[in-house]
Amino acid sequence: SQQGEEDPQALSIQEGENATMNCSYKTSINNLQWYRQNSGRGLVHLILIRSNEREKHSGRLRVTLDTSKKSSSLLITASRAADTASYFCATDEIPGGSYIPTFGRGTSLIVHP
Amino acid sequence: DGGITQSPKYLFRKEGQNVTLSCEQNLNHDAMYWYRQDPGQGLRLIYYSQIVNDFQKGDIAEGYSVSREKKESFPLTVTSAQKNPTAFYLCASSILPTGRNTEAFFGQGTRLTVV
Repeated sequence: SQQGEEDPQALSIQEGENATMNCSYKTSINNLQWYRQNSGRGLVHLILIRSNEREKHSGRLRVTLDTSKKSSSLLITASRAADTASYFCATDEIPGGSYIPTFGRGTSLIVHP
Repeated sequence: DGGITQSPKYLFRKEGQNVTLSCEQNLNHDAMYWYRQDPGQGLRLIYYSQIVNDFQKGDIAEGYSVSREKKESFPLTVTSAQKNPTAFYLCASSILPTGRNTEAFFGQGTRLTVV
């Protein structure tokens, strides 16, 4: 199964700054999703971007997808201390296969108040 | 409220014992998944099921077993054959086996510790 890989592994910023994390993957996809995990909790879905989309927004989140480079980025603008969490990208498998979410190691984001 | 529930939240196992982790969903999802997460690591797929009475091995199935007798339930048994079972276990579900453009819903996890 393919796996997305997030970069950087850790990111430390001050409240109000923007946070950017990246995801690279190996093969063609139907869509790419970003999830958030607070410490010791399950994952929560943030946003999905389809393979024919290049950019998507949701509140303070902005996701881009470059299928030619097999990469995606998640931008959190005007970060808050409550954004402190790990962020994972997940991809599906193509072509025609079953959807099995596969995850990378995540980016650990710390936002200092 | 609809959701996916894992129990217990914390579980302690003695060496050589089998333990079963519960995962129940009332979202009417066809697909269910079990992942293992080690500290600072990503999620690794243990088993998944797309329909009742059928399941498939993931990347790290050795030492684990599952059943899918009901659509709502996908319990995971950690057997004594799993040499390093201490980890955080996450269950997830999604709509449709070939669910394009759908998200996975996660439980809150079970932290298993071998004592």
